[in-house]
Amino acid sequence: DQQVKQNSPSLSVQEGRISILNCDYTNSMFDYFLWYKKYPAEGPTFLISISSIKDKNEDGRFTVFLNKSAKHLSLHIVPSQPGDSAVYFCAASSGNTGKLIFGQGTTLQVKP
Amino acid sequence: GAVVSQHPSWVICKSGTSVKIECRSLDFQATTMFWYRQFPKQSLMLMATSNEGSKATYEQGVEKDKFLINHASLTLSTLTVTSAHPEDSSFYICSARVLAEAFFGQGTRLTVV
Repeated sequence: DQQVKQNSPSLSVQEGRISILNCDYTNSMFDYFLWYKKYPAEGPTFLISISSIKDKNEDGRFTVFLNKSAKHLSLHIVPSQPGDSAVYFCAASSGNTGKLIFGQGTTLQVKP
Repeated sequence: GAVVSQHPSWVICKSGTSVKIECRSLDFQATTMFWYRQFPKQSLMLMATSNEGSKATYEQGVEKDKFLINHASLTLSTLTVTSAHPEDSSFYICSARVLAEAFFGQGTRLTVV
């Protein structure tokens, strides 16, 4: 049972445009959500997070939106840069366990 | 952010041998660390939760006798893949949670030949 889903395996955008990565979840107990960026053969790098009490969190070019009623979150990157090309994972956790459940990842390619 | 160091970054071993992977929190103490595994083009799957001073908690389907976890101090957790087989070849990643964020090690690419 995939509790966290990223239904788009890949996304290609032009440099300077907006990248929107989507993530859906099924477990209503999740109360904290995170986005990670990962390059091959490296550990994930934390990007941005959001608590379930908020619907938006912004950090520089990265904004995460949370729609609890739809159990959906998205990561917006604007403007997109070629260096943003990587695999992006969304992850969710519940309570204070620290355990993260990851989505399958979306490969983002930003073309110059 | 907090730094989690994982060693080695890659290892090749013969089938039947054991491999130990270390995960260290460099600038903080971690009572709990987590071990994940990622197969090519798949998601990170939680294997086990490593608790300092007590037994690890394994996720369903993960063999505790095969993947030995030791969290002997507040800054070190180790994962030992015992009697490794080619199907254990994967990317193993540890993490430690600090407040509401999880920080990850660099990962270890294990290849069993």
